[in-house]
Amino acid sequence: EPEVTQTPSHQVTQMGQEVILRCVPISNHLYFYWYRQILGQKVEFLVSFYNNEISEKSEIFDDQFSVERPDGSNFTLKIRSTKLEDSAMYFCASSEAPNSPLHFGNGTRLTVT
Amino acid sequence: GNSVTQMEGPVTLSEEAFLTINCTYTATGYPSLFWYVQYPGEGLQLLLKATKADDKGSNKGFEATYRKETTSFHLEKGSVQVSDSAVYFCALSDRGGGADGLTFGKGTHLIIQP
Repeated sequence: EPEVTQTPSHQVTQMGQEVILRCVPISNHLYFYWYRQILGQKVEFLVSFYNNEISEKSEIFDDQFSVERPDGSNFTLKIRSTKLEDSAMYFCASSEAPNSPLHFGNGTRLTVT
Repeated sequence: GNSVTQMEGPVTLSEEAFLTINCTYTATGYPSLFWYVQYPGEGLQLLLKATKADDKGSNKGFEATYRKETTSFHLEKGSVQVSDSAVYFCALSDRGGGADGLTFGKGTHLIIQP
């Protein structure tokens, strides 16, 4: 069964550094998402992306975050200048259509030191 | 705004016990409701869903009924197995369940002992 893949599984970075989290959505899916889960807290919506542009973003998704689909297969989340509070598990997801179930990747654990 | 509240974990049960994980929600309009499961080392997987009041979602022996009057979507299973050990997330969407974001609960860690 096709699946969403995320790399790396664990990323450690220093405060202030830029980090790029990578995702390969399921190939025939058109809608892409990033969520995050800070340890012990809720899974939170960050951003959705369709037709090469952001369709919605949450308050968490401020100017230090950006998303890109640089080619036909990858979907990336960039954090420009990481802060300690960005440490979390970041999940990528994709879906075929707006009302279709989301398929999630295994997540990237980001640790900012 | 939308919110989902689910029972705190961990929930520890013996194999073949009856399981209930409570979930209540607050939402505008008529949301769709979901249960997602996360097995160790894996991503979130859709377990079941219900899109309107009184609908029952079911999968792998798990069931949940959309109760509008009590704004609840409790997850139940009659006889749990060790392989059901995972984190379970209740979630809602007021836009059909896909685009523009799900609202999740904190997750309930379920531990099934042999």
